[in-house]
Amino acid sequence: DAGITQSPRHKVTETGTPVTLRCHQTENHRYMYWYRQDPGHGLRLIHYSYGVKDTDKGEVSDGYSVSRSKTEDFLLTLESATSSQTSVYFCAISPSGDGQPQHFGDGTRLSIL
Amino acid sequence: QQQVKQSPQSLIVQKGGISIINCAYENTAFDYFPWYQQFPGKGPALLIAIRPDVSEKKEGRFTISFNKSAKQFSLHIMDSQPGDSATYFCAASMRNTDKLIFGTGTRLQVFP
Repeated sequence: DAGITQSPRHKVTETGTPVTLRCHQTENHRYMYWYRQDPGHGLRLIHYSYGVKDTDKGEVSDGYSVSRSKTEDFLLTLESATSSQTSVYFCAISPSGDGQPQHFGDGTRLSIL
Repeated sequence: QQQVKQSPQSLIVQKGGISIINCAYENTAFDYFPWYQQFPGKGPALLIAIRPDVSEKKEGRFTISFNKSAKQFSLHIMDSQPGDSATYFCAASMRNTDKLIFGTGTRLQVFP
Protein backbone atom coordinates (compact mmCIF):
# COMPACT_ATOMS: atom_id res chain seq x y z
CA ASP A 1 0.00 0.00 0.00
CA ALA A 2 1.09 3.55 -0.71
CA GLY A 3 2.36 5.24 2.45
CA ILE A 4 -0.59 7.48 3.24
CA THR A 5 -1.84 8.09 6.75
CA GLN A 6 -4.95 10.09 7.53
CA SER A 7 -5.69 11.37 11.00
CA PRO A 8 -7.93 11.24 12.82
CA ARG A 9 -9.81 8.27 11.36
CA HIS A 10 -13.03 9.27 13.08
CA LYS A 11 -14.19 12.55 14.55
CA VAL A 12 -17.43 13.87 15.98
CA THR A 13 -17.73 17.58 16.56
CA GLU A 14 -20.29 20.33 16.89
CA THR A 15 -21.48 22.90 14.38
CA GLY A 16 -19.38 26.04 14.40
CA THR A 17 -16.17 24.48 15.68
CA PRO A 18 -12.95 24.45 13.65
CA VAL A 19 -11.73 21.06 12.44
CA THR A 20 -8.38 20.09 10.91
CA LEU A 21 -7.74 16.83 9.13
CA ARG A 22 -4.22 15.67 8.39
CA CYS A 23 -2.80 13.66 5.52
CA HIS A 24 0.75 12.39 5.82
CA GLN A 25 2.64 10.62 3.03
CA THR A 26 5.96 8.83 2.96
CA GLU A 27 6.20 8.52 -0.85
CA ASN A 28 7.63 11.98 -1.54
CA HIS A 29 4.91 12.50 -4.16
CA ARG A 30 4.47 16.00 -5.49
CA TYR A 31 0.67 16.01 -5.75
CA MET A 32 -1.77 15.67 -2.87
CA TYR A 33 -5.57 15.85 -2.98
CA TRP A 34 -8.50 16.10 -0.61
CA TYR A 35 -11.85 14.54 -1.62
CA ARG A 36 -15.14 14.10 0.12
CA GLN A 37 -17.32 11.05 -0.47
CA ASP A 38 -21.07 11.23 -0.07
CA PRO A 39 -23.78 8.76 -1.12
CA GLY A 40 -24.99 9.49 -4.63
CA HIS A 41 -22.10 11.84 -5.37
CA GLY A 42 -19.07 9.61 -5.65
CA LEU A 43 -15.85 11.43 -4.76
CA ARG A 44 -15.62 15.16 -5.23
CA LEU A 45 -12.39 17.13 -5.20
CA ILE A 46 -12.15 19.79 -2.48
CA HIS A 47 -8.60 21.14 -2.89
CA TYR A 48 -5.33 19.86 -4.18
CA SER A 49 -1.66 20.73 -3.97
CA TYR A 50 1.01 20.50 -6.67
CA GLY A 51 3.92 21.38 -4.40
CA VAL A 52 4.88 22.93 -1.09
CA LYS A 53 2.77 26.04 -0.59
CA ASP A 54 1.13 25.52 -4.02
CA THR A 55 -2.57 24.73 -3.79
CA ASP A 56 -5.69 25.13 -5.90
CA LYS A 57 -9.43 24.71 -5.54
CA GLY A 58 -11.50 21.74 -6.60
CA GLU A 59 -15.19 21.58 -7.37
CA VAL A 60 -16.47 21.78 -3.76
CA SER A 61 -13.98 24.10 -2.04
CA ASP A 62 -16.39 26.49 -0.28
CA GLY A 63 -16.00 26.27 3.51
CA TYR A 64 -12.63 24.52 3.30
CA SER A 65 -9.04 25.70 3.35
CA VAL A 66 -5.80 23.78 2.98
CA SER A 67 -2.14 24.18 3.75
CA ARG A 68 1.01 22.38 2.73
CA SER A 69 4.17 23.54 4.46
CA LYS A 70 6.08 20.27 3.90
CA THR A 71 6.04 17.78 1.04
CA GLU A 72 4.72 15.03 3.30
CA ASP A 73 1.83 16.84 4.99
CA PHE A 74 -1.40 18.25 3.58
CA LEU A 75 -3.91 19.73 6.01
CA LEU A 76 -7.61 20.30 5.40
CA THR A 77 -9.35 22.82 7.65
CA LEU A 78 -13.02 23.47 8.17
CA GLU A 79 -12.96 26.93 9.71
CA SER A 80 -16.49 26.69 11.11
CA ALA A 81 -17.95 23.24 10.58
CA THR A 82 -21.53 22.85 9.34
CA SER A 83 -23.73 19.76 9.26
CA SER A 84 -23.48 19.71 5.45
CA GLN A 85 -19.79 18.94 5.86
CA THR A 86 -20.55 15.62 7.53
CA SER A 87 -18.84 13.20 5.17
CA VAL A 88 -16.00 10.78 4.65
CA TYR A 89 -12.85 12.61 3.64
CA PHE A 90 -10.13 10.98 1.57
CA CYS A 91 -6.62 12.11 0.88
CA ALA A 92 -4.88 10.98 -2.30
CA ILE A 93 -1.34 11.33 -3.63
CA SER A 94 0.20 11.18 -7.06
CA PRO A 95 3.78 11.48 -8.33
CA SER A 96 2.62 14.00 -10.92
CA GLY A 97 -0.60 15.36 -12.35
CA ASP A 98 -1.82 14.78 -15.88
CA GLY A 99 -3.53 11.46 -15.48
CA GLN A 100 -1.06 9.72 -13.23
CA PRO A 101 -2.60 7.17 -10.86
CA GLN A 102 -3.82 8.58 -7.60
CA HIS A 103 -3.41 6.48 -4.46
CA PHE A 104 -5.87 6.99 -1.63
CA GLY A 105 -5.69 6.86 2.14
CA ASP A 106 -8.32 5.01 4.16
CA GLY A 107 -10.35 8.08 4.96
CA THR A 108 -11.58 10.14 7.89
CA ARG A 109 -15.22 9.81 8.89
CA LEU A 110 -16.34 13.23 10.13
CA SER A 111 -19.69 13.81 11.81
CA ILE A 112 -20.84 17.32 12.61
CA LEU A 113 -23.76 17.53 15.00
CA GLN B 1 -19.89 18.81 -19.40
CA GLN B 2 -17.64 17.85 -16.52
CA GLN B 3 -19.86 14.99 -15.41
CA VAL B 4 -19.24 11.31 -15.68
CA LYS B 5 -22.47 9.32 -15.53
CA GLN B 6 -22.23 5.81 -14.12
CA SER B 7 -24.74 2.97 -14.15
CA PRO B 8 -26.12 0.88 -12.64
CA GLN B 9 -26.15 2.14 -9.08
CA SER B 10 -26.12 -1.42 -7.80
CA LEU B 11 -25.52 -4.80 -9.35
CA ILE B 12 -26.06 -8.36 -8.14
CA VAL B 13 -24.25 -11.14 -9.95
CA GLN B 14 -23.90 -14.83 -9.33
CA LYS B 15 -20.45 -16.32 -8.83
CA GLY B 16 -18.88 -17.09 -12.17
CA GLY B 17 -20.99 -14.56 -14.03
CA ILE B 18 -19.97 -11.39 -15.86
CA SER B 19 -20.34 -8.02 -14.16
CA ILE B 20 -20.70 -5.00 -16.43
CA ILE B 21 -20.60 -1.39 -15.27
CA ASN B 22 -21.06 1.47 -17.70
CA CYS B 23 -19.93 5.09 -17.76
CA ALA B 24 -20.62 7.94 -20.15
CA TYR B 25 -19.07 11.38 -20.52
CA GLU B 26 -19.64 14.52 -22.55
CA ASN B 27 -16.32 16.34 -22.51
CA THR B 28 -14.25 15.14 -25.47
CA ALA B 29 -11.15 16.63 -23.85
CA PHE B 30 -11.10 13.77 -21.32
CA ASP B 31 -8.20 11.49 -22.16
CA TYR B 32 -7.58 9.29 -19.13
CA PHE B 33 -10.20 6.89 -17.78
CA PRO B 34 -9.40 4.91 -14.62
CA TRP B 35 -11.55 2.53 -12.64
CA TYR B 36 -11.28 2.32 -8.88
CA GLN B 37 -12.38 -0.43 -6.51
CA GLN B 38 -13.37 0.36 -2.95
CA PHE B 39 -14.00 -2.00 -0.06
CA PRO B 40 -15.92 -0.90 3.04
CA GLY B 41 -13.78 1.17 5.39
CA LYS B 42 -11.01 1.55 2.83
CA GLY B 43 -10.00 4.14 0.29
CA PRO B 44 -10.50 3.59 -3.43
CA ALA B 45 -7.73 1.62 -5.13
CA LEU B 46 -6.81 1.91 -8.78
CA LEU B 47 -7.97 -1.19 -10.62
CA ILE B 48 -7.31 -0.53 -14.29
CA ALA B 49 -7.10 2.51 -16.57
CA ILE B 50 -7.27 3.28 -20.28
CA ARG B 51 -6.46 6.11 -22.67
CA PRO B 52 -8.62 6.76 -25.74
CA ASP B 53 -6.01 5.60 -28.24
CA VAL B 54 -7.06 1.98 -27.59
CA SER B 55 -10.52 0.39 -27.56
CA GLU B 56 -9.87 -2.27 -24.98
CA LYS B 57 -7.52 -3.05 -22.13
CA LYS B 58 -7.44 -6.30 -20.21
CA GLU B 59 -5.80 -7.15 -16.91
CA GLY B 60 -6.62 -10.59 -15.65
CA ARG B 61 -10.38 -10.88 -15.21
CA PHE B 62 -10.90 -7.12 -15.59
CA THR B 63 -11.42 -5.48 -18.99
CA ILE B 64 -12.13 -1.88 -19.96
CA SER B 65 -13.99 -1.40 -23.22
CA PHE B 66 -13.80 2.10 -24.66
CA ASN B 67 -16.05 3.56 -27.36
CA LYS B 68 -14.69 6.97 -28.30
CA SER B 69 -17.43 7.87 -30.78
CA ALA B 70 -20.18 7.07 -28.27
CA LYS B 71 -18.22 8.66 -25.41
CA GLN B 72 -18.75 5.60 -23.29
CA PHE B 73 -16.53 3.17 -21.44
CA SER B 74 -17.31 0.12 -19.40
CA LEU B 75 -15.75 -2.28 -16.94
CA HIS B 76 -16.26 -6.01 -17.44
CA ILE B 77 -15.44 -8.43 -14.66
CA MET B 78 -15.26 -11.97 -15.97
CA ASP B 79 -15.83 -15.01 -13.75
CA SER B 80 -17.01 -12.73 -10.93
CA GLN B 81 -16.07 -13.89 -7.43
CA PRO B 82 -17.49 -13.05 -3.99
CA GLY B 83 -14.20 -11.27 -3.27
CA ASP B 84 -15.05 -8.84 -6.07
CA SER B 85 -17.96 -7.52 -3.99
CA ALA B 86 -17.12 -3.85 -3.59
CA THR B 87 -18.05 -0.41 -4.88
CA TYR B 88 -16.61 0.52 -8.26
CA PHE B 89 -16.02 4.06 -9.50
CA CYS B 90 -15.21 5.19 -12.99
CA ALA B 91 -13.39 8.47 -13.44
CA ALA B 92 -12.02 10.75 -16.13
CA SER B 93 -9.46 13.51 -16.44
CA MET B 94 -8.08 15.81 -19.08
CA ARG B 95 -4.50 16.04 -20.23
CA ASN B 96 -2.51 18.73 -18.45
CA THR B 97 -4.93 18.87 -15.54
CA ASP B 98 -4.63 17.37 -12.12
CA LYS B 99 -8.28 16.69 -11.49
CA LEU B 100 -10.19 13.43 -11.64
CA ILE B 101 -13.95 13.58 -12.16
CA PHE B 102 -15.60 10.54 -10.58
CA GLY B 103 -18.81 8.74 -11.39
CA THR B 104 -21.28 8.13 -8.59
CA GLY B 105 -20.28 4.52 -8.00
CA THR B 106 -21.73 1.03 -8.46
CA ARG B 107 -22.14 -1.34 -5.57
CA LEU B 108 -21.42 -4.86 -6.81
CA GLN B 109 -22.51 -7.92 -4.86
CA VAL B 110 -21.40 -11.35 -6.03
CA PHE B 111 -23.26 -14.25 -4.48
CA PRO B 112 -21.83 -17.77 -4.28
